[in-house]
Amino acid sequence: EPEVTQTPSHQVTQMGQEVILRCVPISNHLYFYWYRQILGQKVEFLVSFYNNEISEKSEIFDDQFSVERPDGSNFTLKIRSTKLEDSAMYFCASSEGLAAGSYEQYFGPGTRLTVT
Amino acid sequence: DAKTTQPPSMDCAEGRAANLPCNHSTISGNEYVYWYRQIHSQGPQYIIHGLKNNETNEMASLIITEDRKSSTLILPHATLRDTAVYYCIVSLGGGNTPLVFGKGTRLSVIA
Repeated sequence: EPEVTQTPSHQVTQMGQEVILRCVPISNHLYFYWYRQILGQKVEFLVSFYNNEISEKSEIFDDQFSVERPDGSNFTLKIRSTKLEDSAMYFCASSEGLAAGSYEQYFGPGTRLTVT
Repeated sequence: DAKTTQPPSMDCAEGRAANLPCNHSTISGNEYVYWYRQIHSQGPQYIIHGLKNNETNEMASLIITEDRKSSTLILPHATLRDTAVYYCIVSLGGGNTPLVFGKGTRLSVIA
């Protein structure tokens, strides 16, 4: 069964460093998303991406964040200058979006980002 | 903020049906009810969704009341592996529509 994959599973970085989190969405899906979950808190939406551009973003997704689909398979989240409060699990998701009712999102296993 | 209300926790005996309730009294006519679950710190897993009619798939059944103000997710024969946090989410379902997660219901399946 097709699934969303994410790398790395765990990333440790120092405050102020740039990180890139990578995702491979399900191959025929058209919509891509990033969510994050700080330890013990709710899953929070960051950004959605369709047709090579951002379609929605939350207040969390400020100028420090960017997303890119550099080729036909990868979808990346870049944090330019990490802060301690960026420590969280980051989940990538994708949805097919071809027909009404086909917008369920499928999530990857997550990348645990630890900023020290 | 999440538009749904769920009990914070529930227990269920292994092999019995788990019935997880959700209130969504402010749901609008074109919003779907989605259910996801999160096992430990894994990524949320899609379970099922519906608009008006009851739905069933290989994982679960979704019962939506006629007025659409509440729904129940049914796991027909719960196993220990069904122990997870279950999220009921109301969403327009469009590709650009983010999922708004609440705190969900922590289901513990007990042997």
